[in-house]
Amino acid sequence: GENVEQHPSTLSVQEGDSAVIKCTYSDSASNYFPWYKQELGKGPQLIIDIRSNVGEKKDQRIAVTLNKTAKHFSLHITETQPEDSAVYFCASPNGGYALNFGKGTSLLVTP
Amino acid sequence: EAGVVQSPRYKIIEKKQPVAFWCNPISGHNTLYWYRQNLGQGPELLIRYENEEAVDDSQLPKDRFSAERLKGVDSTLKIQPAELGDSAVYLCASSPRLGAEQFFGPGTRLTVL
Repeated sequence: GENVEQHPSTLSVQEGDSAVIKCTYSDSASNYFPWYKQELGKGPQLIIDIRSNVGEKKDQRIAVTLNKTAKHFSLHITETQPEDSAVYFCASPNGGYALNFGKGTSLLVTP
Repeated sequence: EAGVVQSPRYKIIEKKQPVAFWCNPISGHNTLYWYRQNLGQGPELLIRYENEEAVDDSQLPKDRFSAERLKGVDSTLKIQPAELGDSAVYLCASSPRLGAEQFFGPGTRLTVL
């Protein structure tokens, strides 16, 4: 099945700085790459996703880039704010359409 | 529009007891997933439904776990008997169709003592 590796496991940035989280996947047939944000005590919330027919997608301060050749994709958060502090998960579908998740990145944005 | 609803939010039981979790997906979503999330890990699939049919249950420990989705809407996940290692957050997600975005509920945090 699909194997998704995510780095770093923890990330601390100053408010206003950028944060980058990277994931690699193993199945070259994967074509959908979502990112989820999970706050304490809540379920994962989809924040952005990208399909394999594009290389980059932006939504305000959040962007995702995809490199199909290298089989990796990244989440970029610019102008970070304290409310961006959470655990972020990348994911990629296995052959059965369920998602295989990375182990998560705990992001802390300090004022 | 209401999101995915799960209940209960928290459950504490002793080992060997049964427990059940309930999920109501977003209206009109045909695909329903149950995931288990261990502490410090990402969610892992237990079972996927397409309408009322379980189409991917290869990761469900069938000796003690069971699930149903009668009428293709609400779903129930049951554990009997529970073991200490079952302590986790059980997440339900739904999707309008196969391969589309998945939306998660708040989860049920199970503690087995």
